[in-house]
Amino acid sequence: DVKVTQSSRYLVKRTGEKVFLECVQDMDHENMFWYRQDPGLGLRLIYFSYDVKMKEKGDIPEGYSVSREKKERFSLILESASTNQTSMYLCASSSVLDNEKLFFGSGTQLSVL
Amino acid sequence: GESVGLHLPTLSVQEGDNSIINCAYSNSASDYFIWYKQESGKGPQFIIDIRSNMDKRQGQRVTVLLNKTVKHLSLQIAATQPGDSAVYFCAESVMNTGNQFYFGTGTSLTVIP
Repeated sequence: DVKVTQSSRYLVKRTGEKVFLECVQDMDHENMFWYRQDPGLGLRLIYFSYDVKMKEKGDIPEGYSVSREKKERFSLILESASTNQTSMYLCASSSVLDNEKLFFGSGTQLSVL
Repeated sequence: GESVGLHLPTLSVQEGDNSIINCAYSNSASDYFIWYKQESGKGPQFIIDIRSNMDKRQGQRVTVLLNKTVKHLSLQIAATQPGDSAVYFCAESVMNTGNQFYFGTGTSLTVIP
């Protein structure tokens, strides 16, 4: 089974802090994604990556950056956390060899105070 | 009996009854669709997918129906069980254009024992 692991289940940070959310997948997937999930808004794409060291902006990249130094790891960075970034963050991965199905991690609930 | 709703945020069914969850998608060019199940505190879990060259696909206790004419997708769950209680949402994408999915906000299914 595909496993997508997010390093933290719950995280509490203060406004202005730099925040790192880590995601690791164990199935050698080419594609990795970061979404945020908010009530009534569904999942919105922040950033994605098709390969090591490459990244593409999603629909809501402002206030975020990403890093993909290794194929299995995709990090989401909040340079200066703000209260409106309080949300559930979901990492996902997919392979072009598997109908591009997205497999998700369990999520990180981030609260910015 | 069955509960059928269009764009309803919640759905309650009796254990053992069939459930139908609906989703309207927006992009007529979308050609790949996935249904996800998300239990409380967990990440979305893949249930079933369908390509636009099909109008029906069956899995174990689940069936997805696709009506491209009216851009409508439905998920049918047979003999609903308490473990089926979760939020269900659909995702649409255009294959081979970057693997970007767009997600519905979801329907919360509650199974009454």
